[in-house]
Amino acid sequence: EVQLVESGGGLVKPGGSLRLSCAASGFTFETFSMHWVRQAPGKGLEWVSSISTSSTYIYYANSVTGRFTISRDNAKNSLYLQMNSLRAEDTGLYYCARDYGDYGFFDYWGQGVMVTVSS
Amino acid sequence: AIQLTQSPSSLSASVGDRLTITCRASQGISNSLVWYQQKPGQVPKLLIYEASSLERGVPSRFSGSGSGTDFTLTISSLQPEDFATYYCQQFNSFVVTFGGGTKVEMK
Repeated sequence: EVQLVESGGGLVKPGGSLRLSCAASGFTFETFSMHWVRQAPGKGLEWVSSISTSSTYIYYANSVTGRFTISRDNAKNSLYLQMNSLRAEDTGLYYCARDYGDYGFFDYWGQGVMVTVSS
Repeated sequence: AIQLTQSPSSLSASVGDRLTITCRASQGISNSLVWYQQKPGQVPKLLIYEASSLERGVPSRFSGSGSGTDFTLTISSLQPEDFATYYCQQFNSFVVTFGGGTKVEMK
């Protein structure tokens, strides 16, 4: 069974940093591109970042470019999101999502981890 | 980034109704579009990929069509479990984008 479990969220002040992790199991992690998608409270879905299988290709939404860094450790079956210079508008539920097959859409999602940026 | 505009943003419907939700892209995206369903407190669920292909396990009352800039999601006969929010998403560019969502509520 495919499982994606996020961790690392919490309350942080504006300008602060957080590192999210996503532990993957139930599939061959190193063969799938992975993504982070977020959802502000009561709002829609916003794609944040993606990373290819060997980390060769990395992409970011304009809203986080220069502040967030995605990475992965295939030996540990883990995906990460380093978030710096956090803003109030970064508040939301952050989902780790598996790429369907190197297409750019998602077939499995974690339950999400909450990030709250507030003073 | 490619913008996706969904309409309507919300609608009220009854069980048994036929529903159509539209998604318009700001530029041509071929068939690089998917649809998700999200219920309150749940993660999104993939319904349709590549504009018109039904994901395995999804009921056949769901269908998708379109190509280029205009796409539709149709539910042929709305069931109680279909009251949810629906999102389109394009993957034509490396910068992925979602539509704003369509909330389907019970009339």
